[in-house]
Amino acid sequence: QKEVEQDPGPLSVPEGAIVSLNCTYSNSAFQYFMWYRQYSRKGPELLMYTYSSGNKEDGRFTAQVDKSSKYISLFIRDSQPSDSATYLCAMSKTGTASKLTFGTGTRLQVTL
Amino acid sequence: GAVVSQHPSRVICKSGTSVKIECRSLDFQATTMFWYRQFPKQSLMLMATSNEGSKATYEQGVEKDKFLINHASLTLSTLTVTSAHPEDSSFYICSAPRADTGELFFGEGSRLTVL
Repeated sequence: QKEVEQDPGPLSVPEGAIVSLNCTYSNSAFQYFMWYRQYSRKGPELLMYTYSSGNKEDGRFTAQVDKSSKYISLFIRDSQPSDSATYLCAMSKTGTASKLTFGTGTRLQVTL
Repeated sequence: GAVVSQHPSRVICKSGTSVKIECRSLDFQATTMFWYRQFPKQSLMLMATSNEGSKATYEQGVEKDKFLINHASLTLSTLTVTSAHPEDSSFYICSAPRADTGELFFGEGSRLTVL
């Protein structure tokens, strides 16, 4: 069993839709939960991070962590074609700038 | 602009040759850098952690003699794929943690194709 599971998609939604991306994990020691966006043939860039359980909002993006269920989510409101990318969840025991364990990434396509 | 630069972005080489990939932090110093490998439709797999002035720490299953890592200065880490074979073809990405912001910055990645 992988430490972090993420549906690879692809996920196709129309412009303006609400997108829900999810990851599950098995290691209860993870404390930091991150979402990265990766465009084709580029390195990942950090979107948001959350420490422990709870919600965090940043513009059109909302991250949720439920440690009791070992489940994290990223919601994108009013999705735009420019949101089309691969979204990777990542987790760490010790911090956002330390060793990360990544999910496989979900490829998102927002269509006009 | 990018704060971590990776070079080359693409490289094609013949089987048996060695390839060096550079990772530079552009406006901050990094005592550690991380090297990842990414296969198509798979997650980034941590290969090793390079440490400035000391030996790299390799993840389980990663061949130290195959993937040579050198962290020569506080802004430069290199990954050398020695005696490359077609199965080494992959996307290699480095990252560097920035101490003042607590954020991990990734390079643009290097796509290696071994013929």
